[in-house]
Amino acid sequence: EVQLVQSGAEVKKPGESLNISCQASGYIFTNYWIGWVRQMTGKGLEWMGIVYPRDSDTRYSPSFQGQVTISADKSINTAYLQWSSLKASDTAMFYCVRLADGMDVWGQGTTVTVSS
Amino acid sequence: DIQMIQSPSTLSASVGDRVTITCRASQSISNWLAWYQQKPGKAPKLLIYKASTLESGVPSRFSGSGSGTEFTLTINSLQPDDFVTYYCQQYHSYWTFGQGTKVEVK
Repeated sequence: EVQLVQSGAEVKKPGESLNISCQASGYIFTNYWIGWVRQMTGKGLEWMGIVYPRDSDTRYSPSFQGQVTISADKSINTAYLQWSSLKASDTAMFYCVRLADGMDVWGQGTTVTVSS
Repeated sequence: DIQMIQSPSTLSASVGDRVTITCRASQSISNWLAWYQQKPGKAPKLLIYKASTLESGVPSRFSGSGSGTEFTLTINSLQPDDFVTYYCQQYHSYWTFGQGTKVEVK
C-alpha cells in the first residue's frame, strides 16, 4: 500500500525550532516529488514547497520562501519540514503529499501548535 | 501567480440532488486541474485530475469538465457522505488551490 506517515502532533513555544517528518512506503521514493501543504484552522489549503528526493532539488512557494526548510533523506524514505524559529502564526495542520497528476497521496497530517 | 476562484463558497443541497461547483483560473492552465474532497478532521482526497480523469476508486457520480480557465465538478445524486468540502487546484505552474466549497444539507 502506498502511504505517507507523518510524525505526531507538536506543541512548541515561539522562537523554538521544529522538524516534522513524512515517511513514505509502498513506492519508489526517489521517483516522485514530495510536497508540503499548510491548512490553518478553518481555512483552505496552501502549497508550501516541494523536494525531489533523488537529488534534493527543492522549490518553495514565495509565501514560504525563507520561512521554512524542506529536505529529504532518500536512505530512509523520509521528507522533512523544519522551522528554525517558530511564530504563533505557524500554528496549523501540515500535510505531506506525493506529487503525481495532482497530489495523489496525502499524509495524515501533523498539527503544530505554537503558544507561549 | 495563477489565482483560482472557486464558487460558490457554500452550497445547500439535498440527498439525491445533482450539484455543480465551478473553478476559474486567472490564466489558461490547459487541463492541469485537480479536484479534492476533504472530510472534517481528515486529509484531502484526490477525486479528479487532468480536469476530467477520475482517480481510481472514486465513485462514478463524480465528474469533472473544462479546459483553459473554466472548470466544473459535478456530483450526480448526492449521497450523505458527500456533504463535505471540495477544493480545486491548478498544477500548470506550481500549485494553487481554490478557496473551497462546503456542500451542506439544505
